[in-house]
Amino acid sequence: NAGVTQTPKFQVLKTGQSMTLQCAQDMNHEYMSWYRQDPGMGLRLIHYSVGAGITDQGEVPNGYNVSRSTTEDFPLRLLSAAPSQTSVYFCASRRGGSGNTIYFGEGSWLTVV
Amino acid sequence: EDKVVQSPLSLVVHEGDTVTLNCSYEVTNFRSLLWYKQEKKAPTFLFMLTSSGIEKKSGRLSSILDKKELFSILNITATQTGDSAIYLCAVDQTGANNLFFGTGTRLTVIP
Repeated sequence: NAGVTQTPKFQVLKTGQSMTLQCAQDMNHEYMSWYRQDPGMGLRLIHYSVGAGITDQGEVPNGYNVSRSTTEDFPLRLLSAAPSQTSVYFCASRRGGSGNTIYFGEGSWLTVV
Repeated sequence: EDKVVQSPLSLVVHEGDTVTLNCSYEVTNFRSLLWYKQEKKAPTFLFMLTSSGIEKKSGRLSSILDKKELFSILNITATQTGDSAIYLCAVDQTGANNLFFGTGTRLTVIP
């Protein structure tokens, strides 16, 4: 079972470059989200989606774009990378609504130089 | 403003010690509190607590929730080096889709 798959696992970017972190889930979950994790900050929500065609901002959305054209995929785009976006990124999914188990991807380590 | 606070931020113990990790919360529409263990990759689920005073137990790990005082503790007895990890506390809110995470406690177990 694939679960939640993130790519790439590691990426180094130069300031100003753009890139997309891919996230796919094969569990037909309505809800998907992106978190970033920085030392001493826990996991902070960037963007989330409650279904195809619906996205919303989380706690730290600036500098990131998302789209949800299919139930399976939820890519995270950095349009112009900044060193402050150096972090570990986790994609997650769950069946719709609170109370259901949340599944995490393996993480993407991003360094912006 | 909703918040989840974990303490201590980091902890170093010797193998065999018992540790207690704390999580306090102030959130609206509380539904449940979850504990995760994170080693080098994604957080892995440990416990979900919804009722006060009912201990959840898994091997050497146990956890309990106090909904009156708004906190939870995670106990690990007879610690092993494999327990070294970041332990995350998160709150699930009724009607919300997202988990609200604390900052985590980094536990290091020395042989």
